[in-house]
Amino acid sequence: QSALTQPASVSGSPGQSITISCTGTSSDVGSYNLVSWYQQHPGKGPKLMIFEVSKRPSGVSDRFSGSKSGNTASLTISGLQPEDEGDYYCCSHAGNFIPFVFGTGTRVTVL
Amino acid sequence: QVQLVQSGADVKKPGASVKVSCTASGYTFTDYYIHWVRQAPGQGLEWVGWINPYGGATYSAQRFQDRVTMTRDSSISTAYLELSSLKSDDTAVYYCARRGNNWYADYWGQGTLVTVSS
Repeated sequence: QSALTQPASVSGSPGQSITISCTGTSSDVGSYNLVSWYQQHPGKGPKLMIFEVSKRPSGVSDRFSGSKSGNTASLTISGLQPEDEGDYYCCSHAGNFIPFVFGTGTRVTVL
Repeated sequence: QVQLVQSGADVKKPGASVKVSCTASGYTFTDYYIHWVRQAPGQGLEWVGWINPYGGATYSAQRFQDRVTMTRDSSISTAYLELSSLKSDDTAVYYCARRGNNWYADYWGQGTLVTVSS
């Protein structure tokens, strides 16, 4: 099972919106509405930002939103803020034998 | 509040084994699966395996199946990951994470750096 494909980096100015794509296959992203997104700051553990494609956990800002079309999922951060800088990973369920397949990761930079 | 606290960093020689612990608090330990995920230096996340603390059932990624052992001690709300026959490319931060109500990880430990070096 190969990793999901994400852009290596995405940047934007404060207040702008950015979108991170996550491309998988019909065996993972395309088959299940079980895409999640994680934010990771340097030296820290990942933090859940989006689950089941578009749901936000309690406490996560509504500036974060998720969507999916076919084999590609997306995370949009609107009203970009300095604290949004970090690495973002998508993740998809790919069946009982491959519960989690992660994306390659995207470094978000706030200019 | 939910917390997962992991054991401290460890250094091992190639061929040795390492055991990482993950102690849960703030919820009923046996109600949620624990997943293990690792991250090599400067690299992305890689799923290692899961354990069901209720009955102890486990499942790991195919590439680790002959080297990984996951156990738990429910009396102290602690899950363990043991990796044997360590190689230099096992050097990574190992995270435990609680599975949410579906296939996602809602809480993560702080990570344990395992360094494999002669």
